[in-house]
Amino acid sequence: EIVLTQSPATLSLSPGERATLSCRASQSLANSLAWYQQKPGQAPRLLIYDASNRATGIPARFSGSGSGTDFTLTISSLEPEDFAVYYCQQRGSWPLLTFGAGTRVEIK
Amino acid sequence: QLQLQESGPGLVKPSETLSLTCTVSGGTISSSSYYWDWIRQPPGKGLEWIGSIYYSGSAYYSPSLKSRVTISVDTSKNHFSLKLSSVTASDTAVFYCARWVSSGRKYDYWGQGTLVTVSS
Repeated sequence: EIVLTQSPATLSLSPGERATLSCRASQSLANSLAWYQQKPGQAPRLLIYDASNRATGIPARFSGSGSGTDFTLTISSLEPEDFAVYYCQQRGSWPLLTFGAGTRVEIK
Repeated sequence: QLQLQESGPGLVKPSETLSLTCTVSGGTISSSSYYWDWIRQPPGKGLEWIGSIYYSGSAYYSPSLKSRVTISVDTSKNHFSLKLSSVTASDTAVFYCARWVSSGRKYDYWGQGTLVTVSS
């Protein structure tokens, strides 16, 4: 099973600051990685797929990068609505799928 | 606009079988482009993939749950279902259904989720 390790577990930042979230895979995924945002009481929302493609309607301040085993989600300037939990997800070994444990972005 | 809606009992007794259905509206479940998945999230914890099903009926399960899980599809009703047997308190979670896009390798639509509590 491919394990995804997200870091940090919690990121304390102020609005307007840059957020950098990391996701490391235990095996190479090529670019088969997605990022989701989840707010309390809501289902996850797709942000990024195939490591760097923004989903429909996702603001340009969200960007994804990386390949192989190291991936990054960057939020260039945090808006109040961006404080949430972020999960990475892989399906590199079909059909098995795993999520990372999540990174909580909280207001400092 | 595609919508997915989970339904089923919110309370299940220990050792019994949890049964949920995900009804798809605004689109057909019988498309070769998608798989239909179940994911769960224990209160305050992360996301766990349970399994996937194709409209043809081919199903795939998480190895950790495989012995207790059955996912089925009913194309005539445009819905798919989850059964999880021999439940314990550790199976208490919000259960989500979601659409997996094969080409994009992503979940693009999710249900709102339904909380299932295992308790006597």
